[in-house]
Amino acid sequence: GAVVSQHPSRVICKSGTSVKIECRSLDFQATTMFWYRQFPKKSLMLMATSNEGSKATYEQGVEKDKFLINHASLTLSTLTVTSAHPEDSSFYICSVSGGRGDQPQHFGDGTRLSIL
Amino acid sequence: AQKVTQAQTEISVVEKEDVTLDCVYETRDTTYYLFWYKQPPSGELVFLIRRNSFDEQNEISGRYSWNFQKSTSSFNFTITASQVVDSAVYFCALTSGGYQKVTFGTGTKLQVIP
Repeated sequence: GAVVSQHPSRVICKSGTSVKIECRSLDFQATTMFWYRQFPKKSLMLMATSNEGSKATYEQGVEKDKFLINHASLTLSTLTVTSAHPEDSSFYICSVSGGRGDQPQHFGDGTRLSIL
Repeated sequence: AQKVTQAQTEISVVEKEDVTLDCVYETRDTTYYLFWYKQPPSGELVFLIRRNSFDEQNEISGRYSWNFQKSTSSFNFTITASQVVDSAVYFCALTSGGYQKVTFGTGTKLQVIP
């Protein structure tokens, strides 16, 4: 299965800062990656589908100007939380899937974002 | 619309006990895939098993076993002789219609007490 590297694993920063999270598919060329957000003791909430070479597809209720996604290559997708505020504090996880729904997702280790 | 229900929010068992985690799904598609993932306290999600809608054969892998029943739209997960290392949140998930988007259940937190 795909090996996914997510960086950084933890970020603590001041309110108003923009934070970039990287998701790399190390051994698989991923035309599609997914970004999730997980609140404490909650399930994963799909934020957006990242498409290589085109715009990301955002889920309803997710502010695309707040959460900027760039998928410039087949191995890298980035999520930038712009002008972050305390309510953006969360666990963000990316994933890669090798198939068309028939293959399991392979997840990055996640990024714990804390906005002070 | 798709839905995955994990009615058990938290379960606590004593080490060596068997435990079953329930998962009920809803989908209108005839072709779909079911998954179980484990999320230990460290946070990373680990894939455990995949089942497609045409294969109702149950599966056993070591202490883990899965019971897939289309008649009740259930895909339950049993851990036998539980161990402390099994403590984690377990998610049941569904994809269908040839799409990669995953519908996750709300997760079941399993605590195995030594």
